[in-house]
Amino acid sequence: GQQVMQIPQYQHVQEGEDFTTYCNSSTTLSNIQWYKQRPGGHPVFLIQLVKSGEVKKQKRLTFQFGEAKKNSSLHITATQTTDVGTYFCAPYGFQTSYDKVIFGPGTSLSVIP
Amino acid sequence: KAGVTQTPRYLIKTRGQQVTLSCSPISGHRSVSWYQQTPGQGLQFLFEYFSETQRNKGNFPGRFSGRQFSNSRSEMNVSTLELGDSALYLCASSLAQVDSPLHFGNGTRLTVT
Repeated sequence: GQQVMQIPQYQHVQEGEDFTTYCNSSTTLSNIQWYKQRPGGHPVFLIQLVKSGEVKKQKRLTFQFGEAKKNSSLHITATQTTDVGTYFCAPYGFQTSYDKVIFGPGTSLSVIP
Repeated sequence: KAGVTQTPRYLIKTRGQQVTLSCSPISGHRSVSWYQQTPGQGLQFLFEYFSETQRNKGNFPGRFSGRQFSNSRSEMNVSTLELGDSALYLCASSLAQVDSPLHFGNGTRLTVT
């Protein structure tokens, strides 16, 4: 079946450092979504990537979708304490069939002030 | 527009009992999905309802069931509770389209003793 991996599982950074998390799928994706969950909170939708090689930016966050549509990355420039949380990728709509949303295991980000 | 509302927020039950959790989606959202979140297993998909029909189902035992009403509100039921059912249960609503982002509620924290 379909497998989703996220690396790293945990990341501790000094405030101001950059951070990147990677999401890798064993199958070609139709699109991918990213969510952020703050400690004690619920997942919040960040962005959706649809096109091969797509790059989208939200302030200090840069999202990329791989050319083969099997992987994606989220890069945060100059992390702040407000970036603390777990970042989940959610590969969606595999190929032409509708499928349930399966979340990756997440990358937990800690930012040391 | 009001967000996704889940009730109750916290619940303590004893092994063997059953529990019903409720979810009111965002107005206009016809799809409701349920997820179980535990520290060790991440976000696990339970099931998804659309127009009162279960559209997708995860790999959970039959003790976990759900339903959706004509106003799109949804309930999930867990019978014969086990200690391992202790978790945060998250409900997410979305528009009907295949790639619509999920909007999560604050969740119900279930503790089974």
